[in-house]
Amino acid sequence: KAGVTQTPRYLIKTRGQQVTLSCSPISGHRSVSWYQQTPGQGLQFLFEYFSETQRNKGNFPGRFSGRQFSNSRSEMNVSTLELGDSALYLCASREIGTHDTEAFFGQGTRLTVV
Amino acid sequence: ILNVEQSPQSLHVQEGDSTNFTCSFPSSNFYALHWYRWETAKSPEALFVMTLNGDEKKKGRISATLNTKEGYSYLYIKGSQPEDSATYLCAFNAGGTSYGKLTFGQGTILTVHP
Repeated sequence: KAGVTQTPRYLIKTRGQQVTLSCSPISGHRSVSWYQQTPGQGLQFLFEYFSETQRNKGNFPGRFSGRQFSNSRSEMNVSTLELGDSALYLCASREIGTHDTEAFFGQGTRLTVV
Repeated sequence: ILNVEQSPQSLHVQEGDSTNFTCSFPSSNFYALHWYRWETAKSPEALFVMTLNGDEKKKGRISATLNTKEGYSYLYIKGSQPEDSATYLCAFNAGGTSYGKLTFGQGTILTVHP
């Protein structure tokens, strides 16, 4: 079974630009979550999508948005980039069942805003 | 805002030592507690998903316990090896309307010296 795939792996953008990151979950996993990690911070929850609907959202400004497609692939978009958006962005997919299940993480996209 | 605390922040041990770390989480609205290992240049990888008070899980030399009434979990590593060097993260799932959201602690960085 292929793992969670994130593209691109590395990205350099300029302040004010916008960026789209992509995540392909493990086949059969319908829940996709996004997390941000900045130096000195733990993994901060951005949002979670399930069956094309955003179920949960973290405390991030509206410049951060996402969507999920019918094949469960997800994208996240950051508009009007700021220097502070430089971070590792991780996506995780999970099976949804009667009990809580582990999250499978991608390798992440390292975004640098200059 | 949920508070998930991990201690210590970092730990240096010698090969063969046994060690343990703590994760504290809210004792109300508990659904599940996850443990992940995150090695440098890799993705976080699930160790355990724990749901019941008094739960004990084991995987090789690593084990974990859970106390939901007082809001803590311990992770134990017996006979540490250099390959155990990693950041160990716990994540709290409050369930309910927050089901898809994992709130992570800051992690414990373990370094095992040969």
